[in-house]
Amino acid sequence: DSGVTQTPKHLITATGQRVTLRCSPRSGDLSVYWYQQSLDQGLQFLIHYYNGEERAKGNILERFSAQQFPDLHSELNLSSLELGDSALYFCASSVGRQINEKLFFGSGTQLSVL
Amino acid sequence: GQSLEQPSEVTAVEGAIVQINCTYQTSGFYGLSWYQQHDGGAPTFLSYNALDGLEETGRFSSFLSRSDSYGYLLLQELQMKDSASYFCAVRAGTDSWGKLQFGAGTQVVVTP
Repeated sequence: DSGVTQTPKHLITATGQRVTLRCSPRSGDLSVYWYQQSLDQGLQFLIHYYNGEERAKGNILERFSAQQFPDLHSELNLSSLELGDSALYFCASSVGRQINEKLFFGSGTQLSVL
Repeated sequence: GQSLEQPSEVTAVEGAIVQINCTYQTSGFYGLSWYQQHDGGAPTFLSYNALDGLEETGRFSSFLSRSDSYGYLLLQELQMKDSASYFCAVRAGTDSWGKLQFGAGTQVVVTP
């Protein structure tokens, strides 16, 4: 158990809908990262937050948005869902003090868009 | 842009040694990490190299050559439980802390 909690574990929805994925980082971690992993694909970096502020952004679609709240949990919002958005979405956290820190990954949210 | 190249699959027998190579093209390179992911599981951290040379952690070692934009992960005394995907990841970029980008992963299959 990495200490990073993601909910829900599974999500089935329809095209055009909007969903919210939630992530609670390990106690004490200030950095939260979001990644998308499609079938047989690597981990695509979406966005990185540190202590409530956006630190780095990857190729995140405009239909996707994220935020990190004062209690440090983070949410990833996916809207106008398309079939191609079906993937495993991982959240990861780290302390946020050194650039070479290891990331601790949650167990992921499997999103299926039908 | 940024790119990472690693082989898609490697097969080896128990007890053997496997080397997974990773070449990268980035701007503002900070370091190279390796992560392991079993089927259906979450990625877990294996190692990090910021400077040239070899880092050893038990049966796993990782190497970096910054001048060649190249690194590798060495898995020794392979065990069945080492069957997994292995990802190299580069932290690079010009914005604050850069982006931690992952390669497409190498599927390691260990056979009896």
